Amino acid sequence: DAGVIQSPRHEVTEMGQEVTLRCKPISGHNSLFWYRQTMMRGLELLIYFNNNVPIDDSGMPEDRFSAKMPNASFSTLKIQPSEPRDSAVYFCASSLLIEEETQYFGPGTRLLVL
Amino acid sequence: DQQVKQNSPSLSVQEGRISILNCDYTNSMFDYFLWYKKYPAEGPTFLISISSIKDKNEDGRFTVFLNKSAKHLSLHIVPSQPGDSAVYFCAASARTSYDKVIFGPGTSLSVIP
Repeated sequence: DAGVIQSPRHEVTEMGQEVTLRCKPISGHNSLFWYRQTMMRGLELLIYFNNNVPIDDSGMPEDRFSAKMPNASFSTLKIQPSEPRDSAVYFCASSLLIEEETQYFGPGTRLLVL
Repeated sequence: DQQVKQNSPSLSVQEGRISILNCDYTNSMFDYFLWYKKYPAEGPTFLISISSIKDKNEDGRFTVFLNKSAKHLSLHIVPSQPGDSAVYFCAASARTSYDKVIFGPGTSLSVIP
């Protein structure tokens, strides 16, 4: 069975450019989470969806960040415009139910903004 | 304001010895706790969990202990193996309020052969 799929795996861009990260959750999972990992702050929850509806976006750092889940099998996290401090590893995770604490993580997208 | 703390950023242990990773939390509403393990260039994977109605849960070489009064939990790995070298994240949630899972900053474990 395919796990959570993220693309791209690596992204290098210049400050000011738009970045779009993509995620395909595990089929049948109803909840999807976007995390950011940095050395300073560890693993931070940015936003999560239940049945394609955003439930909590309080972790989204700024208006430059936006996330969508147009259907049950696809989500995007967009940063526009990107800044060097956005450089981090971004993880997508999914779970069967929102109250199911065991989440299945994708391999992450390593973003470097120059 | 971190609700889940892992005060040791790194830990080195000799192969065959016990590894003890610690985690503290501040939110008394947390009633479910998890440990995730992360290898470089991979996403975290679930390792073991414990409900607040228990004080110990064991799975093979991994045991998690919970001290609710101290708001403290620990993960014991016995015996430690080089393949256990990874970053370990402690996480907590308040099941009764269906709240999101909060992760700690992680502890990097190195098991030296």
